[in-house]
Amino acid sequence: NAGVTQTPKFQVLKTGQSMTLQCAQDMNHEYMSWYRQDPGMGLRLIHYSVGAGITDQGEVPNGYNVSRSTTEDFPLRLLSAAPSQTSVYFCASNRIGQPQHFGDGTRLSIL
Amino acid sequence: GENVEQHPSTLSVQEGDSAVIKCTYSDSASNYFPWYKQELGKRPQLIIDIRSNVGEKKDQRIAVTLNKTAKHFSLHITETQPEDSAVYFCAASRRGNNDMRFGAGTRLTVKP
Repeated sequence: NAGVTQTPKFQVLKTGQSMTLQCAQDMNHEYMSWYRQDPGMGLRLIHYSVGAGITDQGEVPNGYNVSRSTTEDFPLRLLSAAPSQTSVYFCASNRIGQPQHFGDGTRLSIL
Repeated sequence: GENVEQHPSTLSVQEGDSAVIKCTYSDSASNYFPWYKQELGKRPQLIIDIRSNVGEKKDQRIAVTLNKTAKHFSLHITETQPEDSAVYFCAASRRGNNDMRFGAGTRLTVKP
């Protein structure tokens, strides 16, 4: 098992550009989540999904879109990147009521 | 929504001493409390978790205690080693609900 795979590992964008952060898991986990991590602020939940076709907002959803068309994939879309979205993004997956498994993260810089 | 506060933000101990990190939560319906360790540039990794039907859980040098009445839980690391140096995060959620809220983290430094 590869676990949770995030791509790309690093990305630099210009303000206003769009991009999709990819997340895939091969553990057949029902739940998947996206977090951002900023210095001194821990991890903050952006969006999460409890199964294919179902998504919900977390603590800081503004500026981000998600979809869950398959169990394995949970992409995060930035429609118009802003400097405030510079952060490290982590994807996680888990079975219901079980601990989350995190990917290695995507380090995103927006100029 | 849930709010998790974590203290202290930094903690420095001598090798062999104990370290204690404390968290409080606001949502009385939260019933799942994991602790994660994150080394520099790495992913968070689960080190121990506790559910609300248990007051204490131990795993070798690591233990977690939960006080549901006071809505706080703590991580205890005994006989600390330099490799315990990392940032530790507590979190809280309702079981079956993936709306997990994290504390801001504690940077633990273990001096040899």
